[in-house]
Amino acid sequence: QQQVKQSPQSLIVQKGGIPIINCAYENTAFDYFPWYQQFPGKGPALLIAIRPDVSEKKEGRFTISFNKSAKQFSLHIMDSQPGDSATYFCAASKTHAGNMLTFGGGTRLMVKP
Amino acid sequence: DTGVSQNPRHKITKRGQNVTFRCDPISEHNRLYWYRQTLGQGPEFLTYFQNEAQLEKSRLLSDRFSAERPKGSFSTLEIQRTEQGDSAMYLCASSLEGADTGELFFGEGSRLTVL
Repeated sequence: QQQVKQSPQSLIVQKGGIPIINCAYENTAFDYFPWYQQFPGKGPALLIAIRPDVSEKKEGRFTISFNKSAKQFSLHIMDSQPGDSATYFCAASKTHAGNMLTFGGGTRLMVKP
Repeated sequence: DTGVSQNPRHKITKRGQNVTFRCDPISEHNRLYWYRQTLGQGPEFLTYFQNEAQLEKSRLLSDRFSAERPKGSFSTLEIQRTEQGDSAMYLCASSLEGADTGELFFGEGSRLTVL
C-alpha cells in the first residue's frame, strides 16, 4: 500500500522558474510532513518540514503548502537555480509512534541555466 | 564531521553470499533507522531501533535480513544468502527522541550489488 503518492516523477524548468511538486497521503494519523533533497551518491537531507496545524511554511526559497482536508501538500521552489537540480522526496510520519518516515516515489528536478 | 557514517560504501557480492553493513549514528541520537532504496524509488523503511531495542520491522525485512544494535550505539544489518533482488542502496538514519524538528539524519548509504 503506497501511503504517500508524489507527482510528477520528473520536472524540467528554466532558471528562475518555480517548480511545484505535489504529494498526497492517506493516513490521517501522520503528523509530520518533511521534504528531503537527494543528490546522486548522497543520502537524503532534510530541506523543510511542516506539521498539520499550519497551512504554509517558508524557509528561504522553499515553501510548503499544506491542505489538511484534502490530505495534500506541495513544495514550491522560488527562483530555482541549476544547483537545485536533484531528486526531491516528500515524506510523512507519526512522530508519536517512532517517527518512521514513509516516502513518496520522488521527483527528479532539472533546472536549466 | 560527526554525521551518520556507513560502511562499506559499496559492496559487490555473488548470489548466495552473506553481507554485513555497519552504521554509526550521530553520537547523542538514540533512534536508528534502516531504509532500502532502489534506483529511481523513494527509500523504504526496513527497521527501527530505540537505544538497543528493535521496536519495528517492516514486512520487507525477510528472514534473511537481521539487524542489531547491541549497545545502543552502532548498528549492523546482515543479509544472508543474498539474491539479485537485494541489490539496492541501504540507508541508515538517526534521530533524537523528542527533538522538536523530528528530523532524521541520513548517512550516504551502502550500495549493494549482487551478481
